[in-house]
Amino acid sequence: NAGVTQTPKFQVLKTGQSMTLQCAQDMNHNSMYWYRQDPGMGLRLIYYSASEGTTDKGEVPNGYNVSRLNKREFSLRLESAAPSQTSVYFCASRQPGQVIYGYTFGSGTRLTVV
Amino acid sequence: GIQVEQSPPDLILQEGANSTLRCNFSDSVNNLQWFHQNPWGQLINLFYIPSGTKQNGRLSATTVATERYSLLYISSSQTTDSGVYFCVDRGSTLGRLYFGRGTQLTVWP
Repeated sequence: NAGVTQTPKFQVLKTGQSMTLQCAQDMNHNSMYWYRQDPGMGLRLIYYSASEGTTDKGEVPNGYNVSRLNKREFSLRLESAAPSQTSVYFCASRQPGQVIYGYTFGSGTRLTVV
Repeated sequence: GIQVEQSPPDLILQEGANSTLRCNFSDSVNNLQWFHQNPWGQLINLFYIPSGTKQNGRLSATTVATERYSLLYISSSQTTDSGVYFCVDRGSTLGRLYFGRGTQLTVWP
């Protein structure tokens, strides 16, 4: 099925470890996003990529880096994980100009930093 | 940024009951959407509704942009409707989605 695929679904890290969250979409969307969701809250934007080759900071970028590898893939990297980064991470994509279709979200990555 | 207030924060229903969820915005509504986050965490786009009324099966939504609010109606609720419902507006900054805190809906059989 077409959509947004995130890996891994679950991850436990020790403080200071690094990891990369992977995201891929097969809808030929230009824009991709990384959000985090904390308990009792909506999603907050970490980074976004308006098109292949561009990335920009969102609301809460500190402690993260991103790479728009190609049109399909947008990865999020934690260089030195901290307990405050324990969260659920969602990747999303959208085709600008086709607002009627809205955003498509991946199923999320549940990250725990101990 | 845009402030999004959702009410009620929690809602518990018996299967078959109807409900109305409300969303108020602090600023003009641009690109309002309703999402359902199921108990497995998956976010599903329900409606894109910057204004007017739309219906999809047992769900319908109305946005009154001039008064900065939106309503989501769920009729004949089912246990599969359980989860968190978010209303979201997209501001002028590309990618910036403004989420409410959500309404946690629990439907009992």
